Amino acid sequence: AQSVTQPDIHITVSEGASLELRCNYSYGATPYLFWYVQSPGQGLQLLLKYFSGDTLVQGIKGFEAEFKRSQSSFNLRKPSVHWSDAAEYFCAVDLDYGGSQGNLIFGKGTKLSVKP
Amino acid sequence: GAVVSQHPSRVICKSGTSVKIECRSLDFQATTMFWYRQFPKKSLMLMATSNEGSKATYEQGVEKDKFLINHASLTLSTLTVTSAHPEDSSFYICSARDLGGLQYFGPGTRLTVT
Repeated sequence: AQSVTQPDIHITVSEGASLELRCNYSYGATPYLFWYVQSPGQGLQLLLKYFSGDTLVQGIKGFEAEFKRSQSSFNLRKPSVHWSDAAEYFCAVDLDYGGSQGNLIFGKGTKLSVKP
Repeated sequence: GAVVSQHPSRVICKSGTSVKIECRSLDFQATTMFWYRQFPKKSLMLMATSNEGSKATYEQGVEKDKFLINHASLTLSTLTVTSAHPEDSSFYICSARDLGGLQYFGPGTRLTVT
């Protein structure tokens, strides 16, 4: 079955430090890949997405992600974390982008805490 | 950017009553909307796909008679939790898909059933 794995449940980094959140997917073909951020009690905001082409994609708020087909990974990075980045981050895969059904599969999320 | 609203943001109801949650796409038309449920410290689980003018498609294990979905227009979908029970307490999030295929999420509704 298709799945999305975020191996880190909770990560704490110091403000100003770099960040990498891991995401692996299990799917036969190359899916459409997304990273979303959720602040407490809020909905999801799209950070970035990968459909095809350049495997390094830039998103909002200084985030970027790199698609590595050989590793079935789509890790999220930020060179310098700000206190406002503290939130829950979800990696997601869409198996049928634009199709008639909802096929957005989410990982379990990684909670990011930022130390001053 | 595209905006999706949900109303109410929080609702508390008594066991046995029904609650309606609205999901609106404010600045775009959405032929397809989705309803998700999120448990504490858990990921989002798709409950159903709502297509304008047709019956919703429910995921396996989701009771369609309990979670009534109506997508009456291109900008509005509603989720009604009927005969609510405490185990229905959760965070419900909707999303609306634009013509390009991208889903935009609402801010969520916190339902507490007492």
